[in-house]
Amino acid sequence: SQQGEEDPQALSIQEGENATMNCSYKTSINNLQWYRQNSGRGLVHLILIRSNEREKHSGRLRVTLDTSKKSSSLLITASRAADTASYFCATETSGSRLTFGEGTQLTVNP
Amino acid sequence: DAGVIQSPRHEVTEMGQEVTLRCKPISGHNSLFWYRQTMMRGLELLIYFNNNVPIDDSGMPEDRFSAKMPNASFSTLKIQPSEPRDSAVYFCASRATGSTGELFFGEGSRLTVL
Repeated sequence: SQQGEEDPQALSIQEGENATMNCSYKTSINNLQWYRQNSGRGLVHLILIRSNEREKHSGRLRVTLDTSKKSSSLLITASRAADTASYFCATETSGSRLTFGEGTQLTVNP
Repeated sequence: DAGVIQSPRHEVTEMGQEVTLRCKPISGHNSLFWYRQTMMRGLELLIYFNNNVPIDDSGMPEDRFSAKMPNASFSTLKIQPSEPRDSAVYFCASRATGSTGELFFGEGSRLTVL
């Protein structure tokens, strides 16, 4: 089974609104990463947060990590139509194994 | 840099045929990963290499699948014989050895087995 599980599976919002996606995982991790995938394309790395970090920012992205709850969230502020994509969390455990969740499909309506 | 290059981008074949997918990682990257993506199972790690050596192939579905990395700039994933349930998008990704950072993905090879 997948290490990470995203919630919700699908999210539809209006341009300008914030989008929040959540990820839960099961085992201890070295780091957690978020990726984006546009339809028919490969995945693109967005941000990485290490197990000893609690929050990280990059542009309009904010990621939090709660290792006690084994969960993370990705916040996209002031969303744009171009943010429409699938978003995946990926957990890295010892041995450099990177396991992906099932993804959240985000639709930003103009 | 051209990024991770995969070929072919699309392949349609008949059940029982051999399929070979190819990947050229980013120059200087010594770790290479093969993933498979389907609607039903999401992204599954099939195998990954460090310095051309397979480290973890526990995700390879069965003996019909094999992967090689003869040198630092080339890897293949072979399916023989192919079956309809192998239909999926196969992704190759690479990163610098020792890095616990981001993977760089290719655009994928979409395989359809009839």
